[in-house]
Amino acid sequence: ILNVEQSPQSLHVQEGDSTNFTCSFPSSNFYALHWYRWETAKSPEALFVMTLNGDEKKKGRISATLNTKEGYSYLYIKGSQPEDSATYLCAFNPGSNYQLIWGAGTKLIIKP
Amino acid sequence: DAGVTQSPTHLIKTRGQQVTLRCSPKSGHDTVSWYQQALGQGPQFIFQYYEEEERQRGNFPDRFSGHQFPNYSSELNVNALLLGDSAHYLCASSSPLYNEQFFGPGTRLTVL
Repeated sequence: ILNVEQSPQSLHVQEGDSTNFTCSFPSSNFYALHWYRWETAKSPEALFVMTLNGDEKKKGRISATLNTKEGYSYLYIKGSQPEDSATYLCAFNPGSNYQLIWGAGTKLIIKP
Repeated sequence: DAGVTQSPTHLIKTRGQQVTLRCSPKSGHDTVSWYQQALGQGPQFIFQYYEEEERQRGNFPDRFSGHQFPNYSSELNVNALLLGDSAHYLCASSSPLYNEQFFGPGTRLTVL
């Protein structure tokens, strides 16, 4: 059974601080790793699709890295703002015709 | 360009009833996936439809069934509702590359 784990489950961060959290996935049969941002009462929004070992992607203050050999990805948020409060989900894709396997998410709360 | 749309937004049913949820994919997408998200959990894959057929299925009982129409829209049907079926049901349509999911706003189902 393929399993995706995210840690921590929740995180409280002071506004202005930087933070990061982890997604762990099986290191075999890697095809792609997705990061999504999910705000309460909204749909999940795609942040990054990562496909190559060593990939590093950036969107504004948010960036992500990928290590397919050891099976983990980090999501970093620099200078957290209240609008960053959301649940961050990662999803592992083991193949082009396979469904995504989702982690349970990291709930990020930014304290003003 | 309309994104993924779902109806209804909220629904209340009683145990034993049947429910049908609807989804229209993003323009240009031909694959639709359905997810169940319980409180505090990541999305759980129910099934995926492509070319009007169920292509993949997650670990859900036969009470959960679906359909895809020639215009790529899709329905999720749940029979003999149980209290545990109360959840947020998300529909996502996929881009051809890397199975990147674009989510609709979801339907919140409450079973009393």
